[in-house]
Amino acid sequence: SQTIHQWPATLVQPVGSPLSLECTVEGTSNPNLYWYRQAAGRGLQLLFYSVGIGQISSEVPQNLSASRPQDRQFILSSKKLLLSDSGFYLCAWSVTPRDTIYFGEGSWLTVV
Amino acid sequence: AQSVAQPEDQVNVAEGNPLTVKCTYSVSGNPYLFWYVQYPNRGLQFLLKYITGDNLVKGSYGFEAEFNKSQTSFHLKKPSALVSDSALYFCAVRDAAGGFKTIFGAGTRLFVKA
Repeated sequence: SQTIHQWPATLVQPVGSPLSLECTVEGTSNPNLYWYRQAAGRGLQLLFYSVGIGQISSEVPQNLSASRPQDRQFILSSKKLLLSDSGFYLCAWSVTPRDTIYFGEGSWLTVV
Repeated sequence: AQSVAQPEDQVNVAEGNPLTVKCTYSVSGNPYLFWYVQYPNRGLQFLLKYITGDNLVKGSYGFEAEFNKSQTSFHLKKPSALVSDSALYFCAVRDAAGGFKTIFGAGTRLFVKA
């Protein structure tokens, strides 16, 4: 069966510091991968999605970037964090764009 | 453009009573519809989906949802609520015409009182 792992679970970073959140999917090949942000415990905002290695689409221009160095690895990064980057970040995957999206356990980021 | 609305910010129900969490949607083509549940500080868990076929879809933990094309609704239901059902519920829609974007509703918080 397929599983998704996301880490770290919790992160406290100072303003201006870099960020790296990592996500890997096991048990499938060439998944569609997604990064979402959830603010204030409510709505989900799609940040990036990827259909293959090196193929990243950005939904919202911002202080973040994403990379997919390997088939089942998706990384969310920032060179310099802002206070407004604080939130709950969720990695997700699907077999195809039309299939069910499955989420990781999320990463809490607090920028101080 | 596709959209999804969850008109209730919060739903309160007594344990053992039936529950309904409402969802309406708007898409240009045929919809793919999903329900997810989120417990505190956790990721979203998939409950059920409608792609095609029977309008009544059964999912995990005794939940079901009814697709109503004329009312563009996909309400989540459960015949008998449990205290452990208390969580945040998200409806989501994707246009079957394609594209990678799944649109999520703002979420409805369900409180089940013992």
